[in-house]
Amino acid sequence: GENVEQHPSTLSVQEGDSAVIKCTYSDSASNYFPWYKQELGKRPQLIIDIRSNVGEKKDQRIAVTLNKTAKHFSLHITETQPEDSAVYFCAASIWGNGGSNYKLTFGKGTLLTVNP
Amino acid sequence: NAGVTQTPKFRVLKTGQSMTLLCAQDMNHEYMYWYRQDPGMGLRLIHYSVGEGTTAKGEVPDGYNVSRLKKQNFLLGLESAAPSQTSVYFCASSYSPTGISYGYTFGSGTRLTVV
Repeated sequence: GENVEQHPSTLSVQEGDSAVIKCTYSDSASNYFPWYKQELGKRPQLIIDIRSNVGEKKDQRIAVTLNKTAKHFSLHITETQPEDSAVYFCAASIWGNGGSNYKLTFGKGTLLTVNP
Repeated sequence: NAGVTQTPKFRVLKTGQSMTLLCAQDMNHEYMYWYRQDPGMGLRLIHYSVGEGTTAKGEVPDGYNVSRLKKQNFLLGLESAAPSQTSVYFCASSYSPTGISYGYTFGSGTRLTVV
């Protein structure tokens, strides 16, 4: 089955700096890669996702890049703010007409702390 | 539109007791999931369902059973609770045939303690 590795497990940055979280996946058939943000005591919420037919996707201060050849994808947060402090999870899955495994496999998470 | 609703939010069980966690979604999603979240372990899939009347095992299914008798509901049962089942349990749903997003919508979680 799919295996997703996520690094680093903790990340501390100063407000205004950029933060990068990296994930690798094992199944070359995976084609859908979402990122979730979980604030303390809350549910995980989808913040951005990317499909394998594109290499990069941006939404304001966050962006995700995908390297299918190397089987890794990354989350980039620019101009970090204290409210960005949370646990971030990457995930991978296979979706589409060519087949689906119907479920997401998650990385173990990264605790991001943005210091004011 | 409530999204995904989990009940109860908190529960304390004694070892050997049984309980059922209820997950309900009102988004007409086909797929539903139960995950457990433990410190340092991320989100691990317990069981999932790809449609009414179907269930499948995930990564950590032992000690749990599930049922999906109605499309909108997915029940997780613990027949004989053990301290190792102390965790936060999240239900999620995804995929509407008329939608384009495959991302999950999570419930608010159930914090279960087994003593």
